Amino acid sequence: DAGITQSPRYKITETGRQVTLMCHQTWSHSYMFWYRQDLGHGLRLIYYSAAADITDKGEVPDGYVVSRSKTENFPLTLESATRSQTSVYFCASSESPGLGYEQYFGPGTRLTVT
Amino acid sequence: AQKVTQAQTEISVVEKEDVTLDCVYETRDTTYYLFWYKQPPSGELVFLIRRNSFDEQNEISGRYSWNFQKSTSSFNFTITASQVVDSAVYFCALREGTGGGNKLTFGTGTQLKVEL
Repeated sequence: DAGITQSPRYKITETGRQVTLMCHQTWSHSYMFWYRQDLGHGLRLIYYSAAADITDKGEVPDGYVVSRSKTENFPLTLESATRSQTSVYFCASSESPGLGYEQYFGPGTRLTVT
Repeated sequence: AQKVTQAQTEISVVEKEDVTLDCVYETRDTTYYLFWYKQPPSGELVFLIRRNSFDEQNEISGRYSWNFQKSTSSFNFTITASQVVDSAVYFCALREGTGGGNKLTFGTGTQLKVEL
């Protein structure tokens, strides 16, 4: 199906473990984004990517790593998960945001770190 | 730095009432873009509208309308004759045109509850 997908949709992990959240889009959008959503904070940008092999930090990048070897994929890795990283994670994609194009969001991954 | 304020944390209305969700933004850019997204109880984020800073015309789409006023830095969203299906969290967002590192800044959202 066309669109943007995330996997897994739900994940429970233990403190200190490495976790990778996957994001895949079929629109060939150049830009991809990772946000986390927490009560009282709205959505906050973790990392974004302007193209394959080009990534940059957002507002809350600490504790996260991203890569983008292919245009359609943008995985997010928590190298050593902490309880403060319990959140809902949204991936998004967009055509050139500099031209004001809207971002389209995936369904989200609910991550719980115990 | 860019900032979006949605002062209304939660609004409850009875079906068929009109309701306005407020959004106030801050930016130093003269070129910027404003967005509204809807997040229903199922959790996905649904794009509703985009507005650029050069276009102050109000927009109407069915029961939805948006009032963009640069003079007050506001981009308010009105739902006319609200329905239960409108119950959701609504987010206003801002993207600066020349700075901000491609960052889309969201407000904290307004929870709208429409009751029968």
